[in-house]
Amino acid sequence: DAGVIQSPRHEVTEMGQEVTLRCKPISGHDYLFWYRQTMMRGLELLIYFNNNVPIDDSGMPEDRFSAKMPNASFSTLKIQPSEPRDSAVYFCASSLDGGRETQYFGPGTRLLVL
Amino acid sequence: RKEVEQDPGPFNVPEGATVAFNCTYSNSASQSFFWYRQDCRKEPKLLMSVYSSGNEDGRFTAQLNRASQYISLLIRDSKLSDSATYLCVVNDRGSTLGRLYFGRGTQLTVWP
Repeated sequence: DAGVIQSPRHEVTEMGQEVTLRCKPISGHDYLFWYRQTMMRGLELLIYFNNNVPIDDSGMPEDRFSAKMPNASFSTLKIQPSEPRDSAVYFCASSLDGGRETQYFGPGTRLLVL
Repeated sequence: RKEVEQDPGPFNVPEGATVAFNCTYSNSASQSFFWYRQDCRKEPKLLMSVYSSGNEDGRFTAQLNRASQYISLLIRDSKLSDSATYLCVVNDRGSTLGRLYFGRGTQLTVWP
């Protein structure tokens, strides 16, 4: 069975450029989560969706970050403009039932902003 | 105060040893508890859920103390393959829409 799919797996860009990360959740999962992981801060929730609707975006660092989920099988996380402090691993995860069921993580996108 | 606090370690133990990790959480209304495992440069994966009465899965035992807001994970007969970071995870409330909070993780290295 296909798990959560993320692309690209690695991204190197220069400060000021736009970055778009993509995620395809597991089919049938109603919840989709975007996380960021750094050595300093650990795993942080950025935003999550339920049935394609954003529920909690309080973790989005600032207006440079935006996320969309146009349909049940696709979501994007966009950073514009990117900054070196955005360098991190970005994970997408999906689940059947929010905080009470297992979240399945994608392999992550390793972002380096120079 | 962070929602979930863990000892970051690292824990370095020989094969066959028993090792225990602890974690505390701040929200007394939390209803769901988990341990996730994360291998180096990989994504987190569920290791086991933690139930009120405690539960075992092979060499792994999880305990929950609601009064103290404390969760533990015990690994018996450690294997080299147990080397990873173990994340303590708690949800924020009992509702379906509750989000998960991840601890920073405890790093374990099992040596031969």
